[in-house]
This record gives sequence, structure tokens and C-alpha cells, in this order.
Amino acid sequence: EPEVTQTPSHQVTQMGQEVILRCVPISNHLYFYWYRQILGQKVEFLVSFYNNEISEKSEIFDDQFSVERPDGSNFTLKIRSTKLEDSAMYFCASTVTKGTDTQYFGPGTRLTVL
Amino acid sequence: AQKVTQAQTEISVVEKEDVTLDCVYETRDTTYYLFWYKQPPSGELVFLIRRNSFDEQNEISGRYSWNFQKSTSSFNFTITASQVVDSAVYFCALDSWGKLQFGAGTQVVVTP
Repeated sequence: EPEVTQTPSHQVTQMGQEVILRCVPISNHLYFYWYRQILGQKVEFLVSFYNNEISEKSEIFDDQFSVERPDGSNFTLKIRSTKLEDSAMYFCASTVTKGTDTQYFGPGTRLTVL
Repeated sequence: AQKVTQAQTEISVVEKEDVTLDCVYETRDTTYYLFWYKQPPSGELVFLIRRNSFDEQNEISGRYSWNFQKSTSSFNFTITASQVVDSAVYFCALDSWGKLQFGAGTQVVVTP
């Protein structure tokens, strides 16, 4: 069964450093999403992406964040200058259509900012 | 505004007991989708069920069952005869045109 994959599973970085989190969505899917879950809290929407541009973003997704689909398979989330409060689990998801489809999530990347 | 409320923070049960998780949602959309996801201690989000706003039929899948009541904006989830492997955080979510709005989650602890 096809699944969303994410790398790395755990990333540790120093405050102020740039990080790139990688996701490989399910191959025939067209819509891609990033969500964030701070430890012990609920899962929060960050951004959705379609046709090589951002469809929607939350207020969390400020100028420090960017997303890209650099090739036909990867979908990346970049945090330009990490802060302590960026420490969280980051989940990627993908769907064929928007709004009517089930979002299947990758296993997540745990980001720890020291 | 979209909102999902899971008022129960944690529920503890002994194995074989039934447990019901409450979910109340708010939306102005007439067409929407509701979901339940399970997050075991390993951290991944496991899809359990999707329900659209026009289908109020209750659903049963093995030991899991869901009760969708549009009149009260609720989408409750019952685990029958709970097992230790059911210990996890369970999230209810509302799909607003591709943006999932999650509730705060309910931690279920099943002890032997």
C-alpha cells in the first residue's frame, strides 16, 4: 500500500540554523500539506501546496517558513532560522483532491531546537 | 470559524471495558468531512474513519463504532471491549477545504 514517507525521523539543530524537512507524498497525489504538533498539544495546520504554489497557509507559517517541490517526488519544508519554539513534530500529508479526500500522514519528523 | 472540541482530556479504563470519546464541532459549511485519527505512543497519525456531512449513518468497524449526529454537531467514537493496544491519543478533525482542524485529543489509557 502506498504511503507518505518523511526524512529524517529526528533532527536536532542549534537555534538560528536552517533546517529542511523532507517528505515524499504518495505518487499520484496532487495536494500536499504540512502540519505541526508541539509536544503534548494538538496537531496544527501549517500550509497546503498545489500546482507548485501555496494554496493556503496559517498564521504560524510566517516568513521563516517556506515549502518547495524541488522535483517530481519530494516536498520540503524549510525553516530559515530556527527558534526554540519550533521544536515540534512535523507531519506531511498528501491527497488526490482537495477537501473531499482523506489526508494520509507520514510518520513525522521530530525537530529539536537547542 | 471552524472549531473542534474534545472535552475529555484523558480516559482510563480497564481492559474489556467500553470507552466513548466525544467530539463536538462547529462549522458554517454545509458540506464538510469529519475524521478520527489515532496517535499511538510511537507518534504517527493513523487514519481511522472519514464521514461526510450528508451521511449520518452510524458505522461499525470491528470493535470501533462511530455515532454522527448533525443535529447536535457531534461525531462520537466508541471502542468496545478495549484492549491495551488501544492506548493512544485519539484526535477528531474537521476538513475545511483541505485544511484539517484538529481537536485537542483524548488520551485513552487501557490497563490490563
